[in-house]
Amino acid sequence: QSALTQPPSASGSPGQSVTISCAGTSSDIGGYNHVSWYQQYPGKAPKLMIYEVTKRPSGVPDRFSGSKSGNTASLTVSGLQAEDEADYYCSSFADNNAFYIFGAGTKVSVL
Amino acid sequence: EVQLVESGGGLVKPGESLRLSCSPSGFTFSNFAMNWVRQAPGKGLEWVSSISPTGGVIFDADSMKGRFTISRDNAKNSLYLQMNSLRAEDTALYYCARGFREQGFDSWGQGTLVTVSS
Repeated sequence: QSALTQPPSASGSPGQSVTISCAGTSSDIGGYNHVSWYQQYPGKAPKLMIYEVTKRPSGVPDRFSGSKSGNTASLTVSGLQAEDEADYYCSSFADNNAFYIFGAGTKVSVL
Repeated sequence: EVQLVESGGGLVKPGESLRLSCSPSGFTFSNFAMNWVRQAPGKGLEWVSSISPTGGVIFDADSMKGRFTISRDNAKNSLYLQMNSLRAEDTALYYCARGFREQGFDSWGQGTLVTVSS
């Protein structure tokens, strides 16, 4: 099972919005609302930012939002802040042998 | 506060075995599915294996099937990953994570480093 497809990098100025795409197939993103997004700082463990496509865990700022259209999911960070500079990974349940698959990650830079 | 602490990593030679452990606290371990996720140096996340709350249902990534075995002991509040026939490409930071399917992996440990090298 191939990894989900994410752009390697994305950037924006403070206060702007940045959207990260995550492309899959009908066997994963397109078939289930089991898309999650994780934020990871260098040397730190990943942190769940979005689950079930659009839901935010307690404590995650509402600047972070998720969506899905067909086989592609997206994470939007609105009102970019310096602390949002990190790697972001998407993940989905998959109905073949992979069970869970991740994207290769997108490095978000705040200019 | 939910905490997950991994242990058992280290330097091993190709073909050798290693057993990782994860010690949870701050929640009722037996109520949650658990997972192992790894990250090779400088690379992305890769799901390894998942186990149901009772341990009766297990899912493994194809690339590790037959070599890695996830297990849990709810009485001892512990999650394990038995890794056999280790290869250089298994070198990674191994994370223990809580969660299942649409819930996502909502808590992660800090990881334990496995290095496979001759």
